[in-house]
Amino acid sequence: GDSVTQMEGPVTLSEEAFLTINCTYTATGYPSLFWYVQYPGEGLQLLLKATKADDKGSNKGFEATYRKETTSFHLEKGSVQVSDSAVYFCALRGGTSYGKLTFGQGTILTVHP
Amino acid sequence: EAGVVQSPRYKIIEKKQPVAFWCNPISGHNTLYWYRQNLGQGPELLIRYENEEAVDDSQLPKDRFSAERLKGVDSTLKIQPAELGDSAVYLCASSSLAVSSYNEQFFGPGTRLTVL
Repeated sequence: GDSVTQMEGPVTLSEEAFLTINCTYTATGYPSLFWYVQYPGEGLQLLLKATKADDKGSNKGFEATYRKETTSFHLEKGSVQVSDSAVYFCALRGGTSYGKLTFGQGTILTVHP
Repeated sequence: EAGVVQSPRYKIIEKKQPVAFWCNPISGHNTLYWYRQNLGQGPELLIRYENEEAVDDSQLPKDRFSAERLKGVDSTLKIQPAELGDSAVYLCASSSLAVSSYNEQFFGPGTRLTVL
């Protein structure tokens, strides 16, 4: 079945540091890939998405590129802020799981001033 | 536009007691999802509705869990009786079948259940 694996956390960075959170997936067919963010006390919010190979999703300075050859969708940001502290989830939809999202385990990001 | 509304936000019960969660999706969204998120894990789908019809309930533990979506709008998820292992956050999400929305799922804030 479909699965998503994220790098183990938590990740702690200083403000303005470069961020990478790794995500790899297993799926049949051609899934769509997503990054969701969960701020403390809030629900999951879609951060960015990519629907086909080589697509780059971007939002709020975050980027991720759909790499079919390496089955990866790594999240990057060039300069993190304290306000980026949250839990980040990589997810996929499609393949054998049309309609539902299959999530990774989440990565806790803490950014210090 | 109002988002997905869930209630209650928190619930603490004794094991073997029943509990129910309520979800009101975004107006006009045909599809409604219930996910369960265990501590330190990503959400996992329990059930998906297209209007009133449950089209994917393969992960719903049917011996103790039930759900309904009468009139294709609000939905209720019930557990009876609750077990210690049911402690988790229960998330509701909704999406539109409109082509332009690309079926993006919008999540509510969740209900945090603690079973003692």
